[in-house]
Amino acid sequence: IQMTQSPSSLSASVGDRVTITCRASQDINNYLAWFQQKPGQAPKSLIYASSTLQSGVPSKFSGSGSGTDFTLTINSLQPEDFATYYCQQYASYPLTFGGGTRVAIK
Amino acid sequence: EVQLLESGGGLVQPGGSLRLSCTASGFTSFSYSMMWVRQAPGKGLEWVSSISSDSGTKHYADSVKGRFTISRDNSKNTLYLQMNNLRAEDTAVYYCAKCIVVCHKGGVDNWGQGTLVTVSS
Repeated sequence: IQMTQSPSSLSASVGDRVTITCRASQDINNYLAWFQQKPGQAPKSLIYASSTLQSGVPSKFSGSGSGTDFTLTINSLQPEDFATYYCQQYASYPLTFGGGTRVAIK
Repeated sequence: EVQLLESGGGLVQPGGSLRLSCTASGFTSFSYSMMWVRQAPGKGLEWVSSISSDSGTKHYADSVKGRFTISRDNSKNTLYLQMNNLRAEDTAVYYCAKCIVVCHKGGVDNWGQGTLVTVSS
């Protein structure tokens, strides 16, 4: 299953609302996760099952979608949110990731 | 607090072997499926392999099938990745990750900090 993220990069300002999309090449139900990765750090799990926040993740992050189209929304962007975000499908093997979306400061 | 600590990375020549370890702590029980994910320098994330809690089910990416072997020792709370016949394109940071019970249709919650494998002559 191919996972296509868009955009591949974006520039935003502190306080902005940002939306990242992820499209699966076939129906994956809601078996979709989102991860955040900062330079030089390991990925951090944000969301699983398309919209369920991992423990400790602030509610400014939200996910939605089912089937083939998914979105990650970040409200009120803060300096610590500037990072690369990846989606992953875990509906079937091989598990696959999107190419990533780099969120940079405008 | 759940912690995953990888070790075993390093510099190896093409065709060589390396075994990575991932030791888990903070679990009441090591009864979760686990996976390895890698990231080549400047690139995105790539799933490598997964193993069920009882080692009964294993899956591999096509890029490593036949060369890499995933295993675990639940008595030591440790996950392994034996990597043989290494190639330059295997150069990456390797992360272990804990699945939410199972990986397939379960997802991932915790990640290790990663260990760098460099394949070069």
